[in-house]
Amino acid sequence: GQSLEQPSEVTAVEGAIVQINCTYQTSGFYGLSWYQQHDGGAPTFLSYNALDGLEETGRFSSFLSRSDSYGYLLLQELQMKDSASYFCAVKGTNAGKSTFGDGTTLTVKP
Amino acid sequence: EAGVAQSPRYKIIEKRQSVAFWCNPISGHATLYWYQQILGQGPKLLIQFQNNGVVDDSQLPKDRFSAERLKGVDSTLKIQPAKLEDSAVYLCASSLVFSGPGANVLTFGAGSRLTVL
Repeated sequence: GQSLEQPSEVTAVEGAIVQINCTYQTSGFYGLSWYQQHDGGAPTFLSYNALDGLEETGRFSSFLSRSDSYGYLLLQELQMKDSASYFCAVKGTNAGKSTFGDGTTLTVKP
Repeated sequence: EAGVAQSPRYKIIEKRQSVAFWCNPISGHATLYWYQQILGQGPKLLIQFQNNGVVDDSQLPKDRFSAERLKGVDSTLKIQPAKLEDSAVYLCASSLVFSGPGANVLTFGAGSRLTVL
């Protein structure tokens, strides 16, 4: 099966940098994705890592270490609108199923 | 490009009643997913379709939940009879392909919020 662990809550101030970690266990692995979900909204795709290293998309970056079964999402120049839940999701080789973590609630304070 | 459409947005029913949710994925997306999201948790995959065939339904409570994707386009998820613990948001998502880089980008609908009393 697949399981993921991420912190339940993170708080940071506007303009700061925050890192949300994700560790996973899976019997087969294609890659790690990150999604953002605002209260009452749908999850939206942020980034995906299939190989080790850093992927950068604007203010957001995502990192993967396959040997450590670990990844993180880095958010820079935090804005109030970044307050949301962030989910990591692992795509396994079993039918290509995507399993989500329970999410990290990020609160950005002025 | 139109997004993933879901209906109804909200539904309140008594336990033991039945309910159905509808999803229309993005045009051309081969893979369709139904997720259940309980408050404070991450989305949990219920069933995954590739065109009109089931790829994975290992976490679907088949004694009360059923889903179909006729003609490989839109899909219906049904719960009968509903239990209190079924109160959740039911999210439909689609992806362009089943495997490869495009398969990792899931586009979600707004969800259907179910309250079972």
